[in-house]
Amino acid sequence: DVKVTQSSRYLVKRTGEKVFLECVQDMDHENMFWYRQDPGLGLRLIYFSYDVKMKEKGDIPEGYSVSREKKERFSLILESASTNQTSMYLCASSSKLAGGADTQYFGPGTRLTVL
Amino acid sequence: AQSVAQPEDQVNVAEGNPLTVKCTYSVSGNPYLFWYVQYPNRGLQFLLKYITGDNLVKGSYGFEAEFNKSQTSFHLKKPSALVSDSALYFCAVSPNTGFQKLVFGTGTRLLVSP
Repeated sequence: DVKVTQSSRYLVKRTGEKVFLECVQDMDHENMFWYRQDPGLGLRLIYFSYDVKMKEKGDIPEGYSVSREKKERFSLILESASTNQTSMYLCASSSKLAGGADTQYFGPGTRLTVL
Repeated sequence: AQSVAQPEDQVNVAEGNPLTVKCTYSVSGNPYLFWYVQYPNRGLQFLLKYITGDNLVKGSYGFEAEFNKSQTSFHLKKPSALVSDSALYFCAVSPNTGFQKLVFGTGTRLLVSP
């Protein structure tokens, strides 16, 4: 089975702190994704990566950055956390199947609260 | 740009009755369509997907979905609901060309009463 793990299930940070969210997948997937989930808004794509050291902006990249130094690991960074970044953060991975038909597999999520 | 609409925030059904969770989509060209389920405080779990071929797709836990190109719909169905099916359901679409970027609907909460 595909396994995607996230470093924390719950996280509480203060405004202005630098926050790191880590995601690791064990299926040798090329593609990795970071989403945030908010009630009534569904999932929105923050950043994605299709290869090591490659990254692309999603729909809501402002206030976030990412790092992918190894194939299995994709980190989301909040440079200076703000209260409007309080959310559930979900990581996903998928293989590089032609045409994008492959399934994305999700981690358990990190519920981040910024005070 | 692609989009997904889940018109119902919540669907209520009695255990043993059939259930339908609606999804309509908009995408350039032919779509790939997915359904995911989320249980409380958990990540998303894959249920089923339509890539090509038979319009009726069968998935996990007895769920199925029917792709209707003329109505641009991909409704999720189950013949007999269980209380344990109560969860949040997401429909998602991506185009069948280029890099896979899934666009998700806003989710539908399914509540199955005993």
